[in-house]
Amino acid sequence: GAVVSQHPSRVICKSGTSVKIECRSLDFQATTMFWYRQFPKQSLMLMATSNEGSKATYEQGVEKDKFLINHASLTLSTLTVTSAHPEDSSFYICSAREGGQGRGDTQYFGPGTRLTVL
Amino acid sequence: KNQVEQSPQSLIILEGKNCTLQCNYTVSPFSNLRWYKQDTGRGPVSLTIMTFSENTKSNGRYTATLDADTKQSSLHITASQLSDSASYICVVSEGSGTYKYIFGTGTRLKVLA
Repeated sequence: GAVVSQHPSRVICKSGTSVKIECRSLDFQATTMFWYRQFPKQSLMLMATSNEGSKATYEQGVEKDKFLINHASLTLSTLTVTSAHPEDSSFYICSAREGGQGRGDTQYFGPGTRLTVL
Repeated sequence: KNQVEQSPQSLIILEGKNCTLQCNYTVSPFSNLRWYKQDTGRGPVSLTIMTFSENTKSNGRYTATLDADTKQSSLHITASQLSDSASYICVVSEGSGTYKYIFGTGTRLKVLA
């Protein structure tokens, strides 16, 4: 089956620093990747959608200058949380979709990254 | 507004018992409905997917039903095991071409020995 990995699985950083999270599709090419944030006891909230080679589309209320998304290849997308603050502490999950004719809409989810900002 | 609501919010059952989780949605146009299992601190894992024309879909001890007329779905877990303790999320995919996922609020299931 399609596998999506994330790195790191957990990260602790000081307030004001930047953190980069990687999302990789291991055995398929992902035309579209999604970034979600999940707070305790809540469901996933879509932050942004990125298509390979183009700028990401951010959901309302998500600061594009704070959450930088790069989707430079068909197997890798990165999310950089710039100048992180304690309120950015959350569980970040990416997903990847193959896209293209007949590929359907299935998103394959990564295992998530736990970010803690001190 | 496209919404997916789930009930109950949380559930505690004894090992070996059955349970049923509910999902109501108001997503239009509709593409498909999925049930995911999410263990604590992990990403969601797909259990079932159903399109408009499918009424039921099974995956081992998990059986999902879909009533497209009333826009309701259920996930039935048979002979529960301790490893079933997790959050179960109902997700409806929009059929507008964007195939955006609309997530339910989830049901947290705890199975006790």
